[in-house]
Amino acid sequence: NAGVTQTPKFQVLKTGQSMTLQCAQDMNHEYMSWYRQDPGMGLRLIHYSVGAGITDQGEVPNGYNVSRSTTEDFPLRLLSAAPSQTSVYFCASSYGRMPQRDPEAFFGQGTRLTVV
Amino acid sequence: AQSVSQHNHHVILSEAASLELGCNYSYGGTVNLFWYVQYPGQHLQLLLKYFSGDPLVKGIKGFEAEFIKSKFSFNLRKPSVQWSDTAEYFCAASKAAGNKLTFGGGTRVLVKP
Repeated sequence: NAGVTQTPKFQVLKTGQSMTLQCAQDMNHEYMSWYRQDPGMGLRLIHYSVGAGITDQGEVPNGYNVSRSTTEDFPLRLLSAAPSQTSVYFCASSYGRMPQRDPEAFFGQGTRLTVV
Repeated sequence: AQSVSQHNHHVILSEAASLELGCNYSYGGTVNLFWYVQYPGQHLQLLLKYFSGDPLVKGIKGFEAEFIKSKFSFNLRKPSVQWSDTAEYFCAASKAAGNKLTFGGGTRVLVKP
C-alpha cells in the first residue's frame, strides 16, 4: 500500500505566487485533512473533508483553499503565498465516522514550503 | 474549544533512563486519544491509541500510556529509552464520534548515548 502520498516534498515560492500541494490516498478513507506544523505549536488543522464534495475549515484556513472531487485526492491551494505560510504541511486520512471505525489518522511524508 | 497540552517542550535523557511525557486534554464527552512520534525528517507515525476499554494502552517500541479520565490525562511512558527514541512526540485527541484531531505542541526528546 502506498498509504498517503504528498507532492512535492520541498518547494520554494516567492511572495504572491500560487501553488497546489497534492495529496492522494489509496485506503478508501472518507476523511482527509491538511495540517501545518510550526515549531512549538504542534500541528494545526487547515481544512478537512468528510467525503467527496464536502470540505470545511479548520483552525487556520485563511490563505488556503481545498476541494475534494474524488475520494482519493485532496489538494491544498495557496492562493497568494506569504512568508507566514512558510511551514511544513502534512496531509492525513482516516476512516469516516459512520459506522464508527478506527479513526487512526495516517500521515503523508510532508511538504516543506518556504516563501521568500 | 477543545485543546491538548503537553507539559514539556524539551526533554533530555541518557540511554536506559525512564521516560514519561505528560498530556492533558480538555474535551467534553468521550474522546479518542493518540500519541504520535516524528523522527527527524520524517512524517508522523502512530505509537498508540486509546478508544475505550483498558485504560493502560500498550503501543509499539515498548511505549505505553495510561488514560486517567478523572485527570483528563493520557501520559506516555517508556521504562528504558534508547538513542533511537530521539524524536518529537505529539499527543492528540478527537471526539469519540469524530475525526478532527487536535494536537498538543509536541515534546522534543533527546536521548544521549
